[in-house]
Amino acid sequence: DGGITQSPKYLFRKEGQNVTLSCEQNLNHDAMYWYRQDPGQGLRLIYYSQIVNDFQKGDIAEGYSVSREKKESFPLTVTSAQKNPTAFYLCASNGPSSGANVLTFGAGSRLTVL
Amino acid sequence: DAKTTQPPSMDCAEGRAANLPCNHSTISGNEYVYWYRQIHSQGPQYIIHGLKNNETNEMASLIITEDRKSSTLILPHATLRDTAVYYCIVRVAHNAGDMLTFGGGTRLMVKP
Repeated sequence: DGGITQSPKYLFRKEGQNVTLSCEQNLNHDAMYWYRQDPGQGLRLIYYSQIVNDFQKGDIAEGYSVSREKKESFPLTVTSAQKNPTAFYLCASNGPSSGANVLTFGAGSRLTVL
Repeated sequence: DAKTTQPPSMDCAEGRAANLPCNHSTISGNEYVYWYRQIHSQGPQYIIHGLKNNETNEMASLIITEDRKSSTLILPHATLRDTAVYYCIVRVAHNAGDMLTFGGGTRLMVKP
């Protein structure tokens, strides 16, 4: 079945450490997105990529980095510069086959900084 | 993008229809209304969208008022598994690749 796979589902990190969250899709979608969600809040856009080897900052990109070397993959690195990284991270994708603004989301990765 | 207003929470009895309202009084003529839902600790799931006509699919119905300033998502026979946060988003239908903004949404609690 086609979909988006995020890993790991749960991750614990010590302060000062970088951590990379994986996002892989087999939907042949061109666009991919990373969102952050804090408890009881909506989603905030971190980065998005509309095509391989290109990506743009979202509303809260500071302290995060991404790469898009392959169409299927859009990993997110949470760096030590991110002051409050504990959150639920969601990856999404869409493409012409899914229709404008119809995003498919992964199951999420929950990061806790100890 | 037009701003949307949703009630923060609603309750619904199991088996009854759940009617979730959304106000979007500043919507422009080429903006669609999209609905997503997010079950606790999962990724959001697309439900339905529409421009001006009412829409129905296997998950829900979307009723848009004639002036398009508000809409209602209807879950005709709510089940406990419909307990989730429901997001109403208004956006122009560009080509795929545009990002969506998810606000606070409505937390629907379906009770037995």
